[in-house]
Amino acid sequence: DAKTTQPNSMESNEEEPVHLPCNHSTISGTDYIHWYRQLPSQGPEYVIHGLTSNVNNRMASLAIAEDRKSSTLILHRATLRDAAVYYCILINAGNNRKLIWGLGTSLAVNP
Amino acid sequence: GAGVSQSPSNKVTEKGKDVELRCDPISGHTALYWYRQSLGQGLEFLIYFQGNSAPDKSGLPSDRFSAERTGGSVSTLTIQRTQQEDSAVYLCASSPRTDYNSPLHFGNGTRLTVT
Repeated sequence: DAKTTQPNSMESNEEEPVHLPCNHSTISGTDYIHWYRQLPSQGPEYVIHGLTSNVNNRMASLAIAEDRKSSTLILHRATLRDAAVYYCILINAGNNRKLIWGLGTSLAVNP
Repeated sequence: GAGVSQSPSNKVTEKGKDVELRCDPISGHTALYWYRQSLGQGLEFLIYFQGNSAPDKSGLPSDRFSAERTGGSVSTLTIQRTQQEDSAVYLCASSPRTDYNSPLHFGNGTRLTVT
């Protein structure tokens, strides 16, 4: 199964944009890129997903590289409530049950 | 609407005892998943259900672990003769279906501590 690589931690200031990178160099053509985040003492929460084109929703934007070997989750204006661990995972029709979850990126937001 | 509910939220048990963890998925969700998260680690897949059947049990760590789902709704994860290495947060998730385009909705987990 294709794996993802993310920085262990990142830091941002409140009200500023945050770009969270994810590398997935072995991605296959049928893998969707999903992002979840996990706040302290809670289960993971779905953020956004995409296949090839950039995606926007009320929570964030997802920018996918043309070769699909990397992607970036964009939080346009970080708030203190965005402090969480962000996971980038790959899902296809064959593996969405077992999803390989790495350690994610722990995002700290400074007031 | 109501999300995925897990109970108990915390469970402390003595080594060797059996425990049951419960998951109430979102109404109408046919797919249900169990994951385990040890301290500082990512999520580890345990088992998933499509309706009441479990096509994939390969993630269960040992034969001490079992799970069932009844009525296409509530699921119970049972750990027999608990060991200290079973201490973790057990997360349940549900989704409307199992395809790649269906996000998972997680509960807040059961924190199991085996003393």
